[in-house]
Amino acid sequence: AQTVTQSQPEMSVQEAETVTLSCTYDTSENNYYLFWYKQPPSRQMILVIRQEAYKQQNATENRFSVNFQKAAKSFSLKISDSQLGDTAMYFCAFMPGTNFGNEKLTFGTGTRLTIIP
Amino acid sequence: DAGVTQSPTHLIKTRGQQVTLRCSPKSGHDTVSWYQQALGQGPQFIFQYYEEEERQRGNFPDRFSGHQFPNYSSELNVNALLLGDSALYLCASSLSDRGETQYFGPGTRLLVL
Repeated sequence: AQTVTQSQPEMSVQEAETVTLSCTYDTSENNYYLFWYKQPPSRQMILVIRQEAYKQQNATENRFSVNFQKAAKSFSLKISDSQLGDTAMYFCAFMPGTNFGNEKLTFGTGTRLTIIP
Repeated sequence: DAGVTQSPTHLIKTRGQQVTLRCSPKSGHDTVSWYQQALGQGPQFIFQYYEEEERQRGNFPDRFSGHQFPNYSSELNVNALLLGDSALYLCASSLSDRGETQYFGPGTRLLVL
């Protein structure tokens, strides 16, 4: 069974600064996918970024980028030039990629990020 | 292009009752997954439906059941409600392939009294 660990329950940063959220996972699979989702107070879970484990290049989406370290089983999210709208719960999630029909997400416990004006 | 929709948004039930939650997937998606998110926790996988069949199930009792219709929409049914079933129930839709991103609906907040 896979596990996902987010060791930072809460973080806060000044607007326009850079912040990094940590995530580690445990799996015996070689093929898998990793995701970061944000959940603002409105509750809607929104995809931030995804990473395929077979790709060495770290994924980027505008101000969001990841540092994927496969050997260390680490998948951190960096938010650059943070904005007030980035305030939310952030969840790291793992999806197996070996077998068709096994596409469930396993989530961490989340990091509550507050952007301070 | 409509995203994933869920109904109702809020629901209050008493212990022992039964509840049905509904989900319509994003246009073009054929797979629906359901998650339970207790307060302050990450979502927990309940089950996934594809081609009107339950394809995979998480560690939830048989009181939790579901259905998928030919138009890919889905229902989650919970029987004999317990206080511990109070949670946010999230529906996610995707295409049926390895690694496909799951897109979430706004959720249904269930309170069991």
